[in-house]
Amino acid sequence: GQQVMQIPQYQHVQEGEDFTTYCNSSTTLSNIQWYKQRPGGHPVFLIQLVKSGEVKKQKRLTFQFGEAKKNSSLHITATQTTDVGTYFCAPGSGNTGKLIFGQGTTLQVKP
Amino acid sequence: DVKVTQSSRYLVKRTGEKVFLECVQDMDHENMFWYRQDPGLGLRLIYFSYDVKMKEKGDIPEGYSVSREKKERFSLILESASTNQTSMYLCASSFMASGGWRDTQYFGPGTRLTVL
Repeated sequence: GQQVMQIPQYQHVQEGEDFTTYCNSSTTLSNIQWYKQRPGGHPVFLIQLVKSGEVKKQKRLTFQFGEAKKNSSLHITATQTTDVGTYFCAPGSGNTGKLIFGQGTTLQVKP
Repeated sequence: DVKVTQSSRYLVKRTGEKVFLECVQDMDHENMFWYRQDPGLGLRLIYFSYDVKMKEKGDIPEGYSVSREKKERFSLILESASTNQTSMYLCASSFMASGGWRDTQYFGPGTRLTVL
């Protein structure tokens, strides 16, 4: 079935450094969502990308959808300790409401 | 605010027991989902329901069944619990998809199940 590869699996950064996680698919995606899960919490929706080459920003977070709609990235500028958690990409699957979650990238931020 | 609640935060059961995990949402969502989350494996879909009494297998349905008798409630059943079903179980709900858009999934707090 459809799968996505998310890299890296783990990332440790110093507070103030930038961070990027990548989501790659071998097939063309119709849409992709990003979620954040804080330690001990549940996944919470961040954003959805639908258009080829789309770029969306939320404060220090920048989300991109590739031109070929086979990859996506999340970039955090000047990380803060509040950014700690696991970030998941989740493309839509088929014509239902299903999502396929990547393995996630766990971000640790050292103060 | 959307609310998705799960019957227990922590549960300890013995091998062979029948286990019920319940999920309730208050937003009239058509779709409901059960995932399990294990370290390094992300969220894996167990079962999905897009309407009352309708269900569809996810990626890892073996050893599980589900029930959706009412729109707001989706139950996950482990007929005979085994130690390899020790995991975090997450329920989610969303509106029905339309066109290229997929609606946000709202997650419950999760149930950490330990099978001894």
